[in-house]
Amino acid sequence: AQRVTQPEKLLSVFKGAPVELKCNYSYSGSPELFWYVQYSRQRLQLLLRHISRESIKGFTADLNKGETSFHLKKPFAQEEDSAMYYCALLSGGYQKVTFGIGTKLQVIP
Amino acid sequence: DVKVTQSSRYLVKRTGEKVFLECVQDMDHENMFWYRQDPGLGLRLIYFSYDVKMKEKGDIPEGYSVSREKKERFSLILESASTNQTSMYLCASSLSYGAFFGQGTRLTVV
Repeated sequence: AQRVTQPEKLLSVFKGAPVELKCNYSYSGSPELFWYVQYSRQRLQLLLRHISRESIKGFTADLNKGETSFHLKKPFAQEEDSAMYYCALLSGGYQKVTFGIGTKLQVIP
Repeated sequence: DVKVTQSSRYLVKRTGEKVFLECVQDMDHENMFWYRQDPGLGLRLIYFSYDVKMKEKGDIPEGYSVSREKKERFSLILESASTNQTSMYLCASSLSYGAFFGQGTRLTVV
């Protein structure tokens, strides 16, 4: 069965400091991984997906199949990055999406 | 721009009531999902549907059922609401490039 693990419930960093939100996955097939973000009082939205290898709002994430990880990184945190971040795995023929428990990022001014 | 709309933002229901949560998407997506979101537990999949009248159980289907009579509409049904079903419910529709979420329904069962 697929599983997504986000080991940190809360991550606090100072503005301008680097950010790394950790995500590990367990899946026997070829994974498709995503990061979603939920800002305060807004709906959950897609941030980025590994297959597109894009950078959104300065965030990047690299899929490491050897370590089964998909960590989200940003070199310099901004206050507006404060939000809840979810790592997600797409699996199976029905495109079932499994989420981690989420990490709350708090950027301290 | 994909829009996923949930019929209610807030609901308060009594224990034992039958509760319907409605979700509509406007992008002709085949796959639709219902999750509940609880602090410390993340998003947990209740049910999903990959076509009209087709449904699959997710990770926590007990106490819930679903209905998909039309492609654009996916309903979550609480047969007999209980206090432990107090939660935020999120509907989503998806293609392989990502899922699109509704604004959520905060259900309180008293």
